[in-house]
Amino acid sequence: GAGVSQSPSNKVTEKGKDVELRCDPISGHTALYWYRQSLGQGLEFLIYFQGNSAPDKSGLPSDRFSAERTGGSVSTLTIQRTQQEDSAVYLCASSTPGQGYNEQFFGPGTRLTVL
Amino acid sequence: AQSVTQLDSHVSVSEGTPVLLRCNYSSSYSPSLFWYVQHPNKGLQLLLKYTSAATLVKGINGFEAEFKKSETSFHLTKPSAHMSDAAEYFCVVSVTDSWGKFQFGAGTQVVVTP
Repeated sequence: GAGVSQSPSNKVTEKGKDVELRCDPISGHTALYWYRQSLGQGLEFLIYFQGNSAPDKSGLPSDRFSAERTGGSVSTLTIQRTQQEDSAVYLCASSTPGQGYNEQFFGPGTRLTVL
Repeated sequence: AQSVTQLDSHVSVSEGTPVLLRCNYSSSYSPSLFWYVQHPNKGLQLLLKYTSAATLVKGINGFEAEFKKSETSFHLTKPSAHMSDAAEYFCVVSVTDSWGKFQFGAGTQVVVTP
């Protein structure tokens, strides 16, 4: 079956522009997660959705970052006024109801480059 | 709070020799532990997971890991390395009774030489 998909696969933008990154989770997965993977920082948790609500958004690095999820499915991560330090690979994952013992299935990521 | 430490940032092995990737964890609660692999320009793939059942866990591609509570370790091993094992490996801890927040280790880059 289809896995987690993300679009675009690559995004190059200029400093100060807004970007939107999209995630399509596996059908039926109610939990969705965003992570950021950057050199020297490893993999950082950004936000967790259960259904359309976000019980934990503690990893969002600043108020320039926001995310939403609609219909319990697709999620969009928005970065406003991008900065060079936002350059990274943004990974999305999904799982059956969020539980600590559940495997998370990862998408291929969106590589964001801010010039 | 939980955390995970991967003791080696880089490991180099010869094809056909054993692989050992070391991981230590810290958790105030009953942990779930995972190993994921990331091949170049690919997504993360689950190798195996421990969730309080058998302490010796077998995964895909001949990998296995042993949960040792007394040592707070979850080392990943494979008896014989293959060229296709060259990748980055991540040890992950989460709290079994929580909603599933993953804490990733820094990763171990594995190089396999012929």
